[in-house]
Amino acid sequence: QKEVEQDPGPLSVPEGAIVSLNCTYSNSAFQYFMWYRQYSRKGPELLMYTYSSGNKEDGRFTAQVDKSSKYISLFIRDSQPSDSATYLCAMSAGGANSKLTFGKGITLSVRP
Amino acid sequence: DADVTQTPRNRITKTGKRIMLECSQTKGHDRMYWYRQDPGLGLQLIYYSFDVKDINKGEISDGYSVSRQAQAKFSLSLESAIPNQTALYFCATSDPPGTGSTGELFFGEGSRLTVL
Repeated sequence: QKEVEQDPGPLSVPEGAIVSLNCTYSNSAFQYFMWYRQYSRKGPELLMYTYSSGNKEDGRFTAQVDKSSKYISLFIRDSQPSDSATYLCAMSAGGANSKLTFGKGITLSVRP
Repeated sequence: DADVTQTPRNRITKTGKRIMLECSQTKGHDRMYWYRQDPGLGLQLIYYSFDVKDINKGEISDGYSVSRQAQAKFSLSLESAIPNQTALYFCATSDPPGTGSTGELFFGEGSRLTVL
């Protein structure tokens, strides 16, 4: 089992839909959780960051972390064609020598 | 100018050739990384460096080498390129996670390498 599993997709939804993207993980030491967004021909950029458990909201985006279930989610409300991109979850335990562990990413397409 | 700059952005080469991908950053970060991205495989860590004198192998270092010339410069070399090294390569930088930092990675725009 890989440390971080992400639904492979691809995912195609109509404009205005609510999108749910999910990752599971096995390392209980993870406490920094991130979602990166990667547009075509670009490098990934940080979209959402959460420390430990709980929810974080930023506009149409909500990140959820459930450490008891080792499960994180990214919700996109009122999805727009401009949300079409690859979304990667990433997480780390923190600490001096920690590195981010990435999911494989899911490609989302929002149809006008 | 971009905070993390990769050169070249695109390169086509032949099997057996030596290739160097270069990365420079203006973020002032000590930590630098090289990743490879393939469809369906996500980002795989090749090498990383936590400071100028520190070099560490990642998940898939075989066939690759790196050089950390300065805090701002980290280059990736393929000594003898082979076709299965055809991929999109990303350089990234970060601060360590902790006080005042999320440990977020800042990526360059990528170097697309094709080995024929």
